[in-house]
Amino acid sequence: AQSVTQPDIHITVSEGASLELRCNYSYGATPYLFWYVQSPGQGLQLLLKYFSGDTLVQGIKGFEAEFKRSQSSFNLRKPSVHWSDAAEYFCAVGDAGGTSYGKLTFGQGTILTVHP
Amino acid sequence: DTAVSQTPKYLVTQMGNDKSIKCEQNLGHDTMYWYKQDSKKFLKIMFSYNNKELIINETVPNRFSPKSPDKAHLNLHINSLELGDSAVYFCAAGVAGGRGTQYFGPGTRLLVL
Repeated sequence: AQSVTQPDIHITVSEGASLELRCNYSYGATPYLFWYVQSPGQGLQLLLKYFSGDTLVQGIKGFEAEFKRSQSSFNLRKPSVHWSDAAEYFCAVGDAGGTSYGKLTFGQGTILTVHP
Repeated sequence: DTAVSQTPKYLVTQMGNDKSIKCEQNLGHDTMYWYKQDSKKFLKIMFSYNNKELIINETVPNRFSPKSPDKAHLNLHINSLELGDSAVYFCAAGVAGGRGTQYFGPGTRLLVL
């Protein structure tokens, strides 16, 4: 069964600092990987996704993520964090199996706090 | 235009009651999902419908019954509500096969007293 682990429950960074949120997955084949962001009281917004090809993917709001098959990781990065990035971030793996119709398995989430 | 909408946004009710949450999508996607986010923010899939046919049912109690009157709607009916049903319920729409993006609704915050 597929699974996703986000080792960091809570991360605090200063505005303008760089950010890396970790994500490790377990999946039997080439995974479809996603990062979503959830602001307080809001739904989930897709930041970026990886299906195949270039292992470094660019997303919205200046985020990028790198797929590393050897490490089963899909870490999210941003070179300079803005106060508006404070939110909870979820990594997810999509099941491309024939009967699963793309159900997403989410990690536990990482809460990002940004200090001014 | 809102791609995936849910009503109501908030739902406060007593134990034992029956309630429904509605979801509508205007994306034209063929697959819709219900996810539950518990108090620890853990998101887990409950159901998925493809072209009005149930394709995923993740060991959810029988008190939960999804209904899809057409491809654009997937409603969730909950019978005999329990305290443990308190959570945020998200509807999503996407393309079958996992390759497409799933678009999430704003969530319905259910509180059972």
